[in-house]
Amino acid sequence: DAGITQSPRYKITETGRQVTLMCHQTWSHSYMFWYRQDLGHGLRLIYYSAAADITDKGEVPDGYVVSRSKTENFPLTLESATRSQTSVYFCASSATSGSSDTQYFGPGTRLTVL
Amino acid sequence: EDKVVQSPLSLVVHEGDTVTLNCSYEVTNFRSLLWYKQEKKAPTFLFMLTSSGIEKKSGRLSSILDKKELFSILNITATQTGDSAIYLCAVGSNSNYQLIWGAGTKLIIKP
Repeated sequence: DAGITQSPRYKITETGRQVTLMCHQTWSHSYMFWYRQDLGHGLRLIYYSAAADITDKGEVPDGYVVSRSKTENFPLTLESATRSQTSVYFCASSATSGSSDTQYFGPGTRLTVL
Repeated sequence: EDKVVQSPLSLVVHEGDTVTLNCSYEVTNFRSLLWYKQEKKAPTFLFMLTSSGIEKKSGRLSSILDKKELFSILNITATQTGDSAIYLCAVGSNSNYQLIWGAGTKLIIKP
């Protein structure tokens, strides 16, 4: 299916485990973004990428790692999950700069860290 | 520091009412302001505004931007229960690739 997809949609893990959230888009958009959304904080940017092999930190990058070896994929890894990383994670993409073009969101991954 | 403030944080109205949601911003090198609707899933795009005074309209929803006073409003007329959602405002600048997000307005429409 065309669009932007995320997997898994739901994940429960334990403190200290490594978790990777996947994001795939079929539009060949240059820009991709990872957000977390928590009550009281709204959407907060974790990392973003302007193109393959170009990534940069957002507002809350600590404890997360990203890579972008291919334009269509932008995985987010929690190297050692903590309870504070329990959240809903959204991936988004845009055709050009995120500030001048619309960001389109994936369906989200609900992550629970026990 | 760049910021986007939405008001009210929550709003409860009855079906058929008209609502106005507000978004004010302080963003260096403003480029665009976007409105999104979020139901129990991902945010979906509504409008992007870049110029003052030009209303964007889609059905019962409309939005306008005032770049002098640094705010935008989102109007919803003849509200329906399906309009219940969180409405998010985001602002982009020419300084970087990021959007600065407001906390959202939670709108509840009672039948």
